[in-house]
Amino acid sequence: GAVVSQHPSRVICKSGTSVKIECRSLDFQATTMFWYRQFPKQSLMLMATSNEGSKATYEQGVEKDKFLINHASLTLSTLTVTSAHPEDSSFYICSARGVGRPRGTEAFFGQGTRLTVV
Amino acid sequence: SQQGEEDPQALSIQEGENATMNCSYKTSINNLQWYRQNSGRGLVHLILIRSNEREKHSGRLRVTLDTSKKSSSLLITASRAADTASYFCATNAAGNKLTFGGGTRVLVKP
Repeated sequence: GAVVSQHPSRVICKSGTSVKIECRSLDFQATTMFWYRQFPKQSLMLMATSNEGSKATYEQGVEKDKFLINHASLTLSTLTVTSAHPEDSSFYICSARGVGRPRGTEAFFGQGTRLTVV
Repeated sequence: SQQGEEDPQALSIQEGENATMNCSYKTSINNLQWYRQNSGRGLVHLILIRSNEREKHSGRLRVTLDTSKKSSSLLITASRAADTASYFCATNAAGNKLTFGGGTRVLVKP
């Protein structure tokens, strides 16, 4: 299957700082990337959808100024958690779809990033 | 909000037994997908069933879809300890966004 790489896998940061998470599609062009948040033993909640070269579309209740998403190329999207608070601690996962591989309706997921804000 | 509701929330079985989990959803869909997640990891796509399909097989996996009841089931036959994971259904509706169910945590005891 297609490969989506997410980095870092774990990050610990201090309250008030910003953290950037990268999501890369390694062997296909990701026209669309999705960012999810997952709390322990819970499901994935879609935060935003980003299309290459355009502004991200955020789900209701997600602060766009706090969770900055950039999808500047067909292989890279970044999520920046700004002015992090302990309640931002969570597991963040990206997924990508694109032209060619993989097929349009199948999404491939990164390995996730465990963010801990202290 | 999550469209899919899965049951059971947790399932504990012995190796070799079958594991069945169900997913219900609320709106019309283009397709329904099942994913697996090992603890603290990303999701792995297992199988996709389109809205005009009723049953699909992939190895030890069998998925059914009943659009009249807005429900799907995932059956894992002859389970192995390595099948221990959380399993999520996800519906794909207009806009190509995936909406995930609450997940079923499966523990396969050796």
